[in-house]
Amino acid sequence: TAGITQAPTSQILAAGRSMTLRCTQDMRHNAMYWYRQDLGLGLRLIHYSNTAGTTGKGEVPDGYSVSRANTDDFPLTLASAVPSQTSVYFCASSDSASGMDTQYFGPGTRLTVL
Amino acid sequence: GQNIDQPTEMTATEGAIVQINCTYQTSGFNGLFWYQQHAGEAPTFLSYNVLDGLEEKGRFSSFLSRSKGYSYLLLKELQMKDSASYLCAPMDSNYQLIWGAGTKLIIKP
Repeated sequence: TAGITQAPTSQILAAGRSMTLRCTQDMRHNAMYWYRQDLGLGLRLIHYSNTAGTTGKGEVPDGYSVSRANTDDFPLTLASAVPSQTSVYFCASSDSASGMDTQYFGPGTRLTVL
Repeated sequence: GQNIDQPTEMTATEGAIVQINCTYQTSGFNGLFWYQQHAGEAPTFLSYNVLDGLEEKGRFSSFLSRSKGYSYLLLKELQMKDSASYLCAPMDSNYQLIWGAGTKLIIKP
């Protein structure tokens, strides 16, 4: 199985442009997450979804939006990118019904906003 | 507030043993995870502790003391491929992971 896939692998984006980072999982996990990882900092949660049809804000949600129309897909949209959104973005999923909530990560998207 | 403290960087020798410590303060507690992250790659799950004590899994072991807000990851028989960052992540009362900045482990021959 593919697990979690993310697209694109990397992207250079002009400030002010919009972009959607894609995330798809085939493990039928109910929960999904978006993190950003910056040098010297821990992973920071942007948005999450505990189940299809619901989303919640994480630690750093400003400038980002998400949707969860179905179990498999959890896209992250930057409506108007700014240079401070330059980062590596990881999507993750977990089967929270299992009680252990281990999160499994996609390969990441490296985004540069100029 | 919520806080994770782990060393920024450690160096060890191939074949040796290394212990990576993590102290944490969280709002509630629902277990603690350790992840491994090689440079340029995604974090991968190593271990999960929810009760006090030691969990052993091959060359890797993880220890938890909930009363002390303390955990460590023990790596034995170090190999060059163990060079990576190790991330400590307790889970808070909302079942959200709180991530430390990670410990970069450098293995020397």
